[in-house]
Amino acid sequence: KNEVEQSPQNLTAQEGEFITINCSYSVGISALHWLQQHPGGGIVSLFMLSSGKKKHGRLIATINIQEKHSSLHITASHPRDSAVYICAVPYSGGGADGLTFGKGTHLIIQP
Amino acid sequence: EAQVTQNPRYLITVTGKKLTVTCSQNMNHEYMSWYRQDPGLGLRQIYYSMNVEVTDKGDVPEGYKVSRKEKRNFPLILESPSPNQTSLYFCASSPQPGQGGYGYTFGSGTRLTVV
Repeated sequence: KNEVEQSPQNLTAQEGEFITINCSYSVGISALHWLQQHPGGGIVSLFMLSSGKKKHGRLIATINIQEKHSSLHITASHPRDSAVYICAVPYSGGGADGLTFGKGTHLIIQP
Repeated sequence: EAQVTQNPRYLITVTGKKLTVTCSQNMNHEYMSWYRQDPGLGLRQIYYSMNVEVTDKGDVPEGYKVSRKEKRNFPLILESPSPNQTSLYFCASSPQPGQGGYGYTFGSGTRLTVV
């Protein structure tokens, strides 16, 4: 089973700050997923990436397959970015048996 | 609109009373799965299905049953719920099993309380 570690667990920052959330996993994978969950809300898929870097608005996700590590960055953070961010990878690398998840990073952006 | 629909959103029940949480997707996805989310433990997989009539256990299957008689539906059944099954449940679907490069779509969640 793939083991996923996320850091930090909790992060409080001021509006406008650059945010970085890290994710490490133990087994080589076909793709990694970043998810967002707002308080009381459902889960939304932000990114799925298997190499390099992806950007969507102020969010950037990078992955280093050799080092088994991914980062999620938020530029010019805003209070509406406050949410739990979850990293997920295929359970045993290939994806046939679903996802295993990090415990999430609880992000609070203060005005 | 492409979506995964879970019902109900909230449910309070008593120990031992059988219940079903429904999950339906309209994207013709082959792969569907159920997860539970608990404070400090994060999301854990209960069961998954790679296609009609094909289901398999995840990390925490005890006390749960599933069925996949049609491609679009994947209900979660608790035959005799217990308080330790109080949790937030999510259903998800994905186009292709065995291909981690496909995205997942999640339902809105079902908050279950067993008293």
